[in-house]
Amino acid sequence: GQNIDQPTEMTATEGAIVQINCTYQTSGFNGLFWYQQHAGEAPTFLSYNVLDGLEEKGRFSSFLSRSKGYSYLLLKELQMKDSASYLCAPVEGTDKLIFGTGTRLQVFP
Amino acid sequence: DADVTQTPRNRITKTGKRIMLECSQTKGHDRMYWYRQDPGLGLRLIYYSFDVKDINKGEISDGYSVSRQAQAKFSLSLESAIPNQTALYFCATAFGGRTDTQYFGPGTRLTVL
Repeated sequence: GQNIDQPTEMTATEGAIVQINCTYQTSGFNGLFWYQQHAGEAPTFLSYNVLDGLEEKGRFSSFLSRSKGYSYLLLKELQMKDSASYLCAPVEGTDKLIFGTGTRLQVFP
Repeated sequence: DADVTQTPRNRITKTGKRIMLECSQTKGHDRMYWYRQDPGLGLRLIYYSFDVKDINKGEISDGYSVSRQAQAKFSLSLESAIPNQTALYFCATAFGGRTDTQYFGPGTRLTVL
């Protein structure tokens, strides 16, 4: 079966650091994507992890632990434009992304 | 120009009408996908295609059909629209291979009255 759990909403202050957690249970796991989606817009690619550990890309980092079925997205030096939904999407098989419901992040000045 | 385009961007229709949503891409990708997004439910896969001759059902294909007219075009049809098909529809493309990033079109907001 498929089960993806991430917080529904989070708030943070401009300049701060926020960590968005995601736990998952999927069959045939083959990596995990994080996407950013501004309201009413298309999801855009942030990161992909297939091996355990931390991947850093500028202000954004993503971590994966396959044995724990756990990932997080870390956003540093938050900016107002980071207010968006963040979608955790483990890959089932070779190409099926299973999307969570997303975490809506609001950044306040 | 955008790499993945969807037409129309917005559509209001009535129950029972036939609707076609179109997706075109200039990325040269083999794989194309149709998703719908509903509040509180996340993105759900409707159909996907690995090439022109390959069409596969996704999680929620009932009430929908697709056509892959060419590598660059993938259309989604609602043969007889119903109100619970009101949603935001996204097309996505991927290059192929073992696991590849999916790139999304801008979306079509469909309302069925």
